[in-house]
Amino acid sequence: AQSVTQLDSQVPVFEEAPVELRCNYSSSVSVYLFWYVQYPNQGLQLLLKYLSGSTLVKGINGFEAEFNKSQTSFHLRKPSVHISDTAEYFCAVSPPGSSASKIIFGSGTRLSIRP
Amino acid sequence: NAGVTQTPKFRVLKTGQSMTLLCAQDMNHEYMYWYRQDPGMGLRLIHYSVGEGTTAKGEVPDGYNVSRLKKQNFLLGLESAAPSQTSVYFCASKIIETNQPQHFGDGTRLSIL
Repeated sequence: AQSVTQLDSQVPVFEEAPVELRCNYSSSVSVYLFWYVQYPNQGLQLLLKYLSGSTLVKGINGFEAEFNKSQTSFHLRKPSVHISDTAEYFCAVSPPGSSASKIIFGSGTRLSIRP
Repeated sequence: NAGVTQTPKFRVLKTGQSMTLLCAQDMNHEYMYWYRQDPGMGLRLIHYSVGEGTTAKGEVPDGYNVSRLKKQNFLLGLESAAPSQTSVYFCASKIIETNQPQHFGDGTRLSIL
């Protein structure tokens, strides 16, 4: 069975500082990996996804993530954050060829940006 | 292009009352899902559907029922609301291919007094 662990429930950073949100997954098979962002009082939006190929994936709003198979990680990074990045971020995995229900979400990381 | 629309956005119920949450998608997606989101617990799958007329249980199905009579709509029902069902409910949909992401609605905030 797959599982997703987001190691930090909250990450406070200063505006224009870099940030890394950590995600580790557990799976005996190859998986597809996703990061979603949830702004206050809104639903989840796709930030980026890793399906195959290059391990560095670029997403919207200047975010990128690196897939590391040996460490089973998919950490999200941004070199310089803005106040508008204040949101909750969710990592998710989906095994290839799985049934529809097998999309596993992490518990989320709340990113707060200090001016 | 509306995407995934949830109705209502807010609702307050008394314990024991019943209600139905509606999810509508205009993207012709086969798969639809209902989640609940509680602080510190991420998203937990309640029920899902892989097509019109089919439904299946997710991680936390107790106390909820669903129906998918039309491809574009997925209804979530609470027959007898309990305070433990106070939560934010999200609907999502996606196409069949597993490498594609889900599309989410903006949520329904439900309080049970």
